[in-house]
Amino acid sequence: DVKVTQSSRYLVKRTGEKVFLECVQDMDHENMFWYRQDPGLGLRLIYFSYDVKMKEKGDIPEGYSVSREKKERFSLILESASTNQTSMYLCAVTVTGRNIQYFGAGTRLSVL
Amino acid sequence: QKEVEQDPGPLSVPEGAIVSLNCTYSNSAFQYFMWYRQYSRKGPELLMYTYSSGNKEDGRFTAQVDKSSKYISLFIRDSQPSDSATYLCAMTLNSGNTPLVFGKGTRLSVIA
Repeated sequence: DVKVTQSSRYLVKRTGEKVFLECVQDMDHENMFWYRQDPGLGLRLIYFSYDVKMKEKGDIPEGYSVSREKKERFSLILESASTNQTSMYLCAVTVTGRNIQYFGAGTRLSVL
Repeated sequence: QKEVEQDPGPLSVPEGAIVSLNCTYSNSAFQYFMWYRQYSRKGPELLMYTYSSGNKEDGRFTAQVDKSSKYISLFIRDSQPSDSATYLCAMTLNSGNTPLVFGKGTRLSVIA
C-alpha cells in the first residue's frame, strides 16, 4: 500500500492568513488529489495533479491553489484563509495502473 | 440527479446483525466500484474493490454490483462494534486517471 503523509493533523489559522497544507507519498505515483470533507456534503474534489507541475481543477477550486514541484509532494494553498474554509482536508494518491485512491489521515483546519 | 446517491443514515444495529449498505448511481459507464471505511477523525481506507458486475467476498464483507440496476451493496456479516464507522462508496469509469466519484457516506453504529 501507498503511505500518504499529511504534515499536520490539526491547524488553527486566522482569517486572511496564507495557509499551506502539505502531502507527501512514499512512492513514485503520478496522481495526487486534494479533497475537503464537510458534514452532509461528503468528499469534494478541490484539485488534482497527474504529474509534476501539472494540475487540474476539481469541483470546488475557488479560493485554493496547488503546487507540485516534486513527484512525491503535493501542496494545497489557501491564499487568504476564510472562515468558510474551515474543514477536514484529505490528500489521496492513486496507485499507478489501478484507480484506487489511498488517503492520508487528514488535516482538520479551523479558520477563526 | 446526483451521480451517486447514498443514504447518510445514521444506521444503528445490534452486534452480530447483518448490515446492508447501498449506493445507486446514474452513469452506466462506471466500471470500477469501491467501498471505503472511515473511522471518526481519520482518512478513508479501502475496504473492497470490484470490477464490473458480480460479487466479491473478503472475510465478513461482501460487495455486490448490479450494473443493470445501477446499484451496489456492501454486506457486513456478524457485525462488531469495531465496524462502527462511516462507509463511503466510490466508482469510476476506468483504471486510469479519471477521478473517483464518491457517495456522501453512511454512518453505521454497531451496539454491543
